[in-house]
Amino acid sequence: GAVVSQHPSWVICKSGTSVKIECRSLDFQATTMFWYRQFPKQSLMLMATSNEGSKATYEQGVEKDKFLINHASLTLSTLTVTSAHPEDSSFYICSARDRNRATNEKLFFGSGTQLSVL
Amino acid sequence: GQNIDQPTEMTATEGAIVQINCTYQTSGFNGLFWYQQHAGEAPTFLSYNVLDGLEEKGRFSSFLSRSKGYSYLLLKELQMKDSASYLCAVRDKDSSYKLIFGSGTRLLVRP
Repeated sequence: GAVVSQHPSWVICKSGTSVKIECRSLDFQATTMFWYRQFPKQSLMLMATSNEGSKATYEQGVEKDKFLINHASLTLSTLTVTSAHPEDSSFYICSARDRNRATNEKLFFGSGTQLSVL
Repeated sequence: GQNIDQPTEMTATEGAIVQINCTYQTSGFNGLFWYQQHAGEAPTFLSYNVLDGLEEKGRFSSFLSRSKGYSYLLLKELQMKDSASYLCAVRDKDSSYKLIFGSGTRLLVRP
C-alpha cells in the first residue's frame, strides 16, 4: 500500500504551548487529507477535512482557531494544536486519499501522534 | 445524524470463528469499510463493501445489507495476533472519502 508519514510519533508539551503535527504522503499526491483524534479505547473521531490549496472543513464542535490545519502542497498537511491544554491530550491520526489508486483501498493512515499536555 | 454501532468487546478462542456486527444509520452511504487497529498504531484496511453480499479475502470476510443498514466482519481460524480493535466505517455520500467510524470492537483471542 501507499505510505503516509506522520511526525512526531509522540510529543510532551507544557500547557499553553503550541504543537505542530505533520502528515506527508510519500509516494502519491493527496488532494484530500483527514485529521482524526482518538481517546483511549475509543474510535476515531473526524476533526476536519484538509483540502490542498483551500481552507479546511471542520466537523461540528471542532474549534478551527484551536486546531489550525494547513494543506500547502499535494503531499503535506499540518495540524497545529494552539495553546494546548491537558484536555487536548489524545492520539491524533491523519489519513490521505490516493485518488489514482485502482483498488478499493484508497485511504491510507499515518502512524499517529500521541500528544500529552502537562 | 450519523450513528454507527458495534459491540464494545468480544472474546474468542484461537482457531475459532468470530463475527463482529455493525449497524449504521447515516445521512448518506457510499460504501462500508472495516479496519483493524492494534493499540497505539494506525488502522489498517481489511475490506470494503458497497454492494449487498459477501466479500471474502482469505481468513476475513465482510457482508453488507444496505436495506438493513447492517454489516458484519467474519474472522476464521483465529490467531493470537488477531487480538485488536476492529473498526467499522461508513463512507459519506460524496466523493471525498470522508469516513465516519463506529466505536470499534475490541477482540481478545485466547489460547
